[in-house]
Amino acid sequence: EAGVAQSPRYKIIEKRQSVAFWCNPISGHATLYWYQQILGQGPKLLIQFQNNGVVDDSQLPKDRFSAERLKGVDSTLKIQPAKLEDSAVYLCASSLDRVRNSPLHFGNGTRLTVT
Amino acid sequence: AQSVTQLGSHVSVSEGALVLLRCNYSSSVPPYLFWYVQYPNQGLQLLLKYTSAATLVKGINGFEAEFKKSETSFHLTKPSAHMSDAAEYFCAVSEAGTYKYIFGTGTRLKVLA
Repeated sequence: EAGVAQSPRYKIIEKRQSVAFWCNPISGHATLYWYQQILGQGPKLLIQFQNNGVVDDSQLPKDRFSAERLKGVDSTLKIQPAKLEDSAVYLCASSLDRVRNSPLHFGNGTRLTVT
Repeated sequence: AQSVTQLGSHVSVSEGALVLLRCNYSSSVPPYLFWYVQYPNQGLQLLLKYTSAATLVKGINGFEAEFKKSETSFHLTKPSAHMSDAAEYFCAVSEAGTYKYIFGTGTRLKVLA
């Protein structure tokens, strides 16, 4: 099966600019996650979708971050305006369903550098 | 709230030596635990998972982990390290009720020739 696809792989922007990341999960996976991984740390959940609905966005900085999952398939994560501390790898993951034993499948991530 | 703690942010072993990466969990309900591996510039890959069946779980690439409730541990082991095992390893717990995955801070494994 094809894996989770993410683009772009790398992005460099200046602070206060905007940026968008795209994710295409594994076909048939109902649950989609966006994680932020800062260098030297574990992934931190930003937002979780079940089909096209948000089930958890408690750690999403909503003043600058937004995400959507139209039609319950692809998803985009946007940052506007970016800050220096947003420099990180943004990982998209999907799972078959929202159950505790359903493992996550990760994309290769987008490395964002904010200068 | 459930959480995991990984002791040792960096571990070095010689090629052929035993690999032991430590993970302790905190949970008031039976935990669902996972180990993931991350190679440079890649996403995380599932190594193995514990979902309340057998306490000794075997995963890919010769890794295994043992769930010990009395010690609240889920340590990852491999009898003989290979150079290709050099990567970062993350322990994670799937939180009851929210289905969120909570990740540890990771352990970077270095394998010495």
